[in-house]
Amino acid sequence: TQLLEQSPQFLSIQEGENLTVYCNSSSVFSSLQWYRQEPGEGPVLLVTVVTGGEVKKLKRLTFQFGDARKDSSLHITAAQPGDTGLYLCAGARGAQKLVFGQGTRLTINP
Amino acid sequence: EAQVTQNPRYLITVTGKKLTVTCSQNMNHEYMSWYRQDPGLGLRQIYYSMNVEVTDKGDVPEGYKVSRKEKRNFPLILESPSPNQTSLYFCASSLSQPSPQHFGDGTRLSIL
Repeated sequence: TQLLEQSPQFLSIQEGENLTVYCNSSSVFSSLQWYRQEPGEGPVLLVTVVTGGEVKKLKRLTFQFGDARKDSSLHITAAQPGDTGLYLCAGARGAQKLVFGQGTRLTINP
Repeated sequence: EAQVTQNPRYLITVTGKKLTVTCSQNMNHEYMSWYRQDPGLGLRQIYYSMNVEVTDKGDVPEGYKVSRKEKRNFPLILESPSPNQTSLYFCASSLSQPSPQHFGDGTRLSIL
């Protein structure tokens, strides 16, 4: 059973378009992390959201934590080829280990 | 530079031939773990360690062993590898279990 469902699993769009990736669960998380993984490398942390309803911005990337802390979204504005990669969300429940989603593979075509 | 170093990065071997993948971190982190990454399944935790000499099973521990004799090192051992262990493996370290993970660059393992 996948506790964190990411959608879509694959997304291919043109440079300049906007997109949103979702990370959903029926469980409540104390915090949620987003990672980006490029080919040949390990995942790298982008952001951690902690408070329900929290919004964090990282240049053209906007991350939001749901009010009930069960879901999160990643919105990219004016996508660029450098945004290509595998995006992973990971939820933390108290002191328990992280739970990872299966990832969204994003391709931005020039 | 803070980093997690895995070796080897690539390995092709045969069924039954014992192998070890090393992992070392220079951040003085207490928590270390091993994951495998397979298409459509995301990252699944194999084993983790809360501190020196303290290790425990993750979600998919069968066929693997680990040890934590020193804080910085956390090797993954496959005593008798089988083809279903062909995968991309990541070592990670962090301050605690739910803290953001620092990942190595991965080891691509092929068992023929």
